[in-house]
Amino acid sequence: AQTVTQSQPEMSVQEAETVTLSCTYDTSESDYYLFWYKQPPSRQMILVIRQEAYKQQNATENRFSVNFQKAAKSFSLKISDSQLGDAAMYFCAYSAAGKSTFGDGTTLTVKP
Amino acid sequence: GAGVSQSPSNKVTEKGKDVELRCDPISGHTALYWYRQRLGQGLEFLIYFQGNSAPDKSGLPSDRFSAERTGESVSTLTIQRTQQEDSAVYLCASSPWTSSNTEAFFGQGTRLTVV
Repeated sequence: AQTVTQSQPEMSVQEAETVTLSCTYDTSESDYYLFWYKQPPSRQMILVIRQEAYKQQNATENRFSVNFQKAAKSFSLKISDSQLGDAAMYFCAYSAAGKSTFGDGTTLTVKP
Repeated sequence: GAGVSQSPSNKVTEKGKDVELRCDPISGHTALYWYRQRLGQGLEFLIYFQGNSAPDKSGLPSDRFSAERTGESVSTLTIQRTQQEDSAVYLCASSPWTSSNTEAFFGQGTRLTVV
């Protein structure tokens, strides 16, 4: 079975600084996708960024980028120039064969 | 509607009562998930439906929990004889079957409070 592990239950960052959230996964599939979702206090889950496993280039969306290490099965999220609105719970997710598996989440606090 | 719709948004029930939570997925989405999220905690997988396949019920915490889905439409999560530890937000998500690019779309959740 696929598993997704987020080893950091909580992280904090100073406003305008950079923070990296860790995620590792376990799979025997070769074709899959990886995602980071954000859940703000409103509790609405929002897709932040996605990565196709067959692409070597790391995905980037404005201030959000990933470090995808396929051999190591690692998929970390970097948030640059952190803003107060980035404060949320972040979930790493793996998807293959039509099914998604989520990590336990990392709560990010942004300090002004 | 355009997104995943869950109802009710909030539910307060007395201990021992049964509750039904509803999820309307995005039209055409074959996959549907139910998760439980306790306050400040992560997502606890409950059940997964994929088209007409047998559902993956491996996350249901006890036989008081059950879920149904008719085809690729509405799903209901039923909790019988509710207990205080059932208090949580119940999230539903759906996704299309398109190879592996199965981004999940979430509803706003139902906040269940058992008093």
